[in-house]
Amino acid sequence: SYVLTQPPSVSVAPGKTARITCGGNNIGGKSVNWYHQKPGRAPVLVIYYNSDRPSGIPERFSGSNSGNTAILTISRVEAGDEADYFCQVWDTSGDHPVIFGGGTKLTVL
Amino acid sequence: EVQLLESGGGLVQPGGSLRLSCVASGFTFDSYAMIWVRQAPGKGLEWVSGISGSGVGTYYADSVKGRFTTSRDNSKNTLYLEMSSLRAEDTAVYYCARESGVSGTYYFDYWGQGSLVTVSS
Repeated sequence: SYVLTQPPSVSVAPGKTARITCGGNNIGGKSVNWYHQKPGRAPVLVIYYNSDRPSGIPERFSGSNSGNTAILTISRVEAGDEADYFCQVWDTSGDHPVIFGGGTKLTVL
Repeated sequence: EVQLLESGGGLVQPGGSLRLSCVASGFTFDSYAMIWVRQAPGKGLEWVSGISGSGVGTYYADSVKGRFTTSRDNSKNTLYLEMSSLRAEDTAVYYCARESGVSGTYYFDYWGQGSLVTVSS
């Protein structure tokens, strides 16, 4: 089945830009969604359709997707952005259609 | 305001059964497919099951196929997950979520608060 690969952790200083990658075979041909999850809380959708933001998500959050890598970019990082981030795609080639990446822990230094 | 409120989690012995419920409000429930996702302690997200808006179509991960059953009662705006023959590896927080988007590009825009299922003797 389709595999999404994320780095286990990313660290960034406040005010800087964080980039979280999500790798997959020809992922650029798929629609990628991103969620963040704070400890003890449910996931929250932050990006859908590669680069669209749901209402209420700051413009600091943006997404891109090309080739074998999708990227979630968080500009002007704040302490409140510290969370786990998961990418997700829909893929019907394998035994189940919903694929999540393993998650990336974003640490704000 | 869209809300998904889960209930039914708890401690169950290996081989036992449990039913989770997810009550939806704030949207036309039968217009949306729904899914269940679980998260084992300290682990990532794992899709468990999905169900179409009408309830006719259901889909399961191989890890739960034959043991879990997803259903919905659209008259009660409620989604269910019936779990049987539970194993220690089923221990997780279970989330319901609403499926949105168009075919092949689905995403999950609203999530329940999660319900902890612990399988242990």
